[in-house]
Amino acid sequence: GQQLNQSPQSMFIQEGEDVSMNCTSSSIFNTWLWYKQDPGEGPVLLIALYKAGELTSNGRLTAQFGITRKDSFLNISASIPSDVGIYFCAGKFGGATNKLIFGTGTLLAVQP
Amino acid sequence: DVKVTQSSRYLVKRTGEKVFLECVQDMDHENMFWYRQDPGLGLRLIYFSYDVKMKEKGDIPEGYSVSREKKERFSLILESASTNQTSMYLCASREGNNQPQHFGDGTRLSIL
Repeated sequence: GQQLNQSPQSMFIQEGEDVSMNCTSSSIFNTWLWYKQDPGEGPVLLIALYKAGELTSNGRLTAQFGITRKDSFLNISASIPSDVGIYFCAGKFGGATNKLIFGTGTLLAVQP
Repeated sequence: DVKVTQSSRYLVKRTGEKVFLECVQDMDHENMFWYRQDPGLGLRLIYFSYDVKMKEKGDIPEGYSVSREKKERFSLILESASTNQTSMYLCASREGNNQPQHFGDGTRLSIL
């Protein structure tokens, strides 16, 4: 099946640093979602974006729906150790399709 | 709060066994999904259901079947388990087509 290009694949940072990751697609999406997955757990929804250009925050997290509708980024400010995990983007086409297309994930490690 | 419950966190079965993975959601959601997650391959959609007794194949349905007899419950069935079905299985549900998916904690299935 299709996958989105998500980068970087992994990041190793110091506590307090800001983090940025992004997803790109060759297709236009109507919805972008960002999830976080802790080890041994299921993905948890962080932010949902529904309009091109939309910028949405959730605490220290900020995500944007790209103007071209083919990309999205997620920023984490002032990282803390509990930010450790795998972050996934997911995109959905418009129309009747029910399927989400997932990114390959960004592994984030935060050094205290 | 959204709640998707998968009946087992860990499961060990033998090759050739018939295996049932259960998923229940308490939000009266229309749509439910089964994914498997493997290192380097991300989340892959096995089957989904957009209503009771309705099902559609995802990207990798071979070797699996599903059952949706009641709105709140979506079961994944491995007819005759094989070692290549060892994986993390994730169930998700969502209220409607334009709503984000919410995931359960996953079932880590090992086939010996």
